[in-house]
Formats: sequence, structure tokens, C-alpha cells
Amino acid sequence: DIQMTQTPSSMPASLGERVTISCRASQGISNYLNWYQQKPDGTIKPLIYYTSNLQSGVPSRFSGSGSGTDYSLTISSLEPEDFAMYYCQQYDSSPNTFGAGTKLELK
Amino acid sequence: QVQLKESGPGLMQPSETLSLTCTVSGFSLTSNGVGWVRQPLGKGLVWMGTIWAGGSTNYNSAVQSRLSISRDTSKSQVFLKMNSLQPEDTGTYYCARHGDSYAHPYWYFDFWGPGTMVTVSS
Repeated sequence: DIQMTQTPSSMPASLGERVTISCRASQGISNYLNWYQQKPDGTIKPLIYYTSNLQSGVPSRFSGSGSGTDYSLTISSLEPEDFAMYYCQQYDSSPNTFGAGTKLELK
Repeated sequence: QVQLKESGPGLMQPSETLSLTCTVSGFSLTSNGVGWVRQPLGKGLVWMGTIWAGGSTNYNSAVQSRLSISRDTSKSQVFLKMNSLQPEDTGTYYCARHGDSYAHPYWYFDFWGPGTMVTVSS
């Protein structure tokens, strides 16, 4: 199975700050990479698909990039509702696998 | 609008068989696949298996021997059955809709249910 390593595992940040979450695959995944947000109540919201395509309705402060084994999710200016867990998911090979998550916390 | 909702027993005993139902609305099960994803307590997400729009299934090899996913399209319901439960099966179980390959890739979960907690304990 492809292992997805997310860094950092937790990140204290301030409102208005620009943050980047990284996701590294154990082998190349050809941009087959999605991002999801999970709120403390467990609600999961899709954010980005195929590396950089924004889900409809997701604010433009979210963006994704990457290639090969290294991918990232950037939030350009943190809003209060952005403090949550973030997961990457690869679907280059079966089984699709998720990263362990990054917890974005208010500093 | 598209909605998914999981239901099932909250508490199970070891060795029992878990049965969960995902009831969907706002789309047809013959148009999109539905997958099950679980989240052990305090841990990350793990895909368990999927039933596709055509009715075929794919399972994660980690649970394949214990897992069965089926559906009733007339009732807009997808079912998960997993036998030989162990305490490590404790967690939140989500059903999620797959993309249809036109708007979104097949392996993108574009709508999720709220999840249902399952505790396996004697």
C-alpha cells in the first residue's frame, strides 16, 4: 500500500496567517491526490481533487499543488472556521489511502 | 440536495457481525458509487470498500475476508456487513459518495454522511 505522510501533525497558527500542510507519498502518485477537512464534530468536507482543483463552494483562499511524491495544501489567510483536521488521500493505486492528518489549531 | 446518513447499532460484542445502513437521497445509486470509510478512535481515515454504480464491489484487502457491501437501489440504501468484530474495529464509520468521473474523479468522495460510532466491547 502507498503510505501518505502528512507534516506537520499539528500546527498552531493565527487568524490571517498563511499556512501550508504537506503530504508526501511513499512513491509517485501522478497527481492523484485529494484533500478533505474534518471538523471537531466529525463532519468531513471535500476541499480539493486531483491535486489542485477546488471543490465547488470552497473559498478561494484554499489551494493545492504538487507533483510526483510531494503535495501541499495552502490556506492563504486563516479564517476562524478553518481550524480543523486536514487529510490527504491518494488514489493512484489500490487501496486508496489517507494521510494521518494535520490538526490546525488556533495559536 | 445530496445527503447520506449512516445508521446501525452503537455497541457490539466481540465476534459479532456488524450491520450498517447508509441511506442516500438526492442522487441515484445507479449513477454514483458509495464507499465506506472508517476512523478508529483518535486516528485517521481508512477506506474499507465500495459498491459501484453498476453494482460491482471493491474491498480493502485488510478487511476483505470479513466484509460485504451490498445495496437496495429501490430503497436508496447501501449496506455494510462485517463479521468477527474485534475491539480494534471500534470507531466512526462513514459512507461517502464517489465522484461520477464527469464532475469529479471516481476516487474522490464528494459527499459524506455524518458518521456513526461503533464500539466493540464485551
